Amino acid sequence: SQQGEEDPQALSIQEGENATMNCSYKTSINNLQWYRQNSGRGLVHLILIRSNEREKHSGRLRVTLDTSKKSSSLLITASRAADTASYFCATVEYGNKLVFGAGTILRVKS
Amino acid sequence: GAGVSQSPSNKVTEKGKDVELRCDPISGHTALYWYRQSLGQGLEFLIYFQGNSAPDKSGLPSDRFSAERTGGSVSTLTIQRTQQEDSAVYLCASSLNHDRANEQFFGPGTRLTVL
Repeated sequence: SQQGEEDPQALSIQEGENATMNCSYKTSINNLQWYRQNSGRGLVHLILIRSNEREKHSGRLRVTLDTSKKSSSLLITASRAADTASYFCATVEYGNKLVFGAGTILRVKS
Repeated sequence: GAGVSQSPSNKVTEKGKDVELRCDPISGHTALYWYRQSLGQGLEFLIYFQGNSAPDKSGLPSDRFSAERTGGSVSTLTIQRTQQEDSAVYLCASSLNHDRANEQFFGPGTRLTVL
């Protein structure tokens, strides 16, 4: 069954605006990961947040994790057209098996 | 039905040796991906195959790494002259086609240890 579920399914914003995507999951986790997939490319790992962390930053990315609500959010600040992609959260299930959500399609208009 | 399978499940090798890792994707899946996951890290994309198109090799870390996919099915990832930093879990995934890459089905991985 799907573990991570992102919302919204699609998001369209203007360049320079912030984009927030949310992810919910069902079971206990060790960590939660966010990935990006540009059209025609493989998945690119963005950031990993461990279950004992509440917030993590990487460049223009900010990830939060609320284990009590089993949810995470990914914030992209000052978006650029190059940020246009699909974004997935993923949790580890059955060892190293990554379970991905359906993803959020982000479109940044210039 | 059968999922993605990988072999061997574990491989221990000496530095400088070559290794071959095998992936059998789900039958009918045209897209196949290789990833590497080092301890405590997220997945690192290595390479993907889509049908008969030229593979996207942009994630391969060095020219010691190569992969092929024969007959559009089984894939082999080869690492030549292994180094200790190559130690990781190598994951293979397949999807029906690349447009639905979010529905990737992962194999159990091959844990590679280079001594």
